[in-house]
Amino acid sequence: DTEVTQTPKHLVMGMTNKKSLKCEQHMGHRAMYWYKQKAKKPPELMFVYSYEKLSINESVPSRFSPECPNSSLLNLHLHALQPEDSALYLCASSQGQYSGNTIYFGEGSWLTVV
Amino acid sequence: GQQLNQSPQSMFIQEGEDVSMNCTSSSIFNTWLWYKQEPGEGPVLLIALYKAGELTSNGRLTAQFGITRKDSFLNISASIPSDVGIYFCAGREGNQGGKLIFGQGTELSVKP
Repeated sequence: DTEVTQTPKHLVMGMTNKKSLKCEQHMGHRAMYWYKQKAKKPPELMFVYSYEKLSINESVPSRFSPECPNSSLLNLHLHALQPEDSALYLCASSQGQYSGNTIYFGEGSWLTVV
Repeated sequence: GQQLNQSPQSMFIQEGEDVSMNCTSSSIFNTWLWYKQEPGEGPVLLIALYKAGELTSNGRLTAQFGITRKDSFLNISASIPSDVGIYFCAGREGNQGGKLIFGQGTELSVKP
């Protein structure tokens, strides 16, 4: 089973709203990731968690706040977003953070900011 | 950010034709991954390569990890309409926290 589950599939939020994206994996992976993807472009890394600790933050604005409650769950809290933040948000996981491990993606959450 | 050079950017082919796409990098990678993404979906892993020179097949797909560790190719034989999508190569570096570096993607269209 190589499944990464993301909810919700679609989210529409206003610029003053607070919402969260959720991600879950039960593969025993210890590295989890958030990516942002615009149409027909490659995914862009936002955050990496390794063993439930934030390992990499790619200079993401603070209106995006990641959280890793346990080894199976990863959240992305959203607050005061801008219309240009509308995109597909992808969660991914791998056995470990470093090379030699395959990264598996979820189906993504489509976010529209109005 | 850093990207791989993936070519071609797009391909329009007839059903039954073979397809070839490749990625090159100025950096050495320890892992090469090939993904396919269909509209509205996340990237799905097709093939993972871990050793220089490695040649791996998955059904009609074949991919190779270049000897120099700076390139990889993906071939699709006897294409079918469901092969339509965007194919991304991605390399993982040994340093920089094992980040996944993506190519720009190859958009494949298959005419029945």
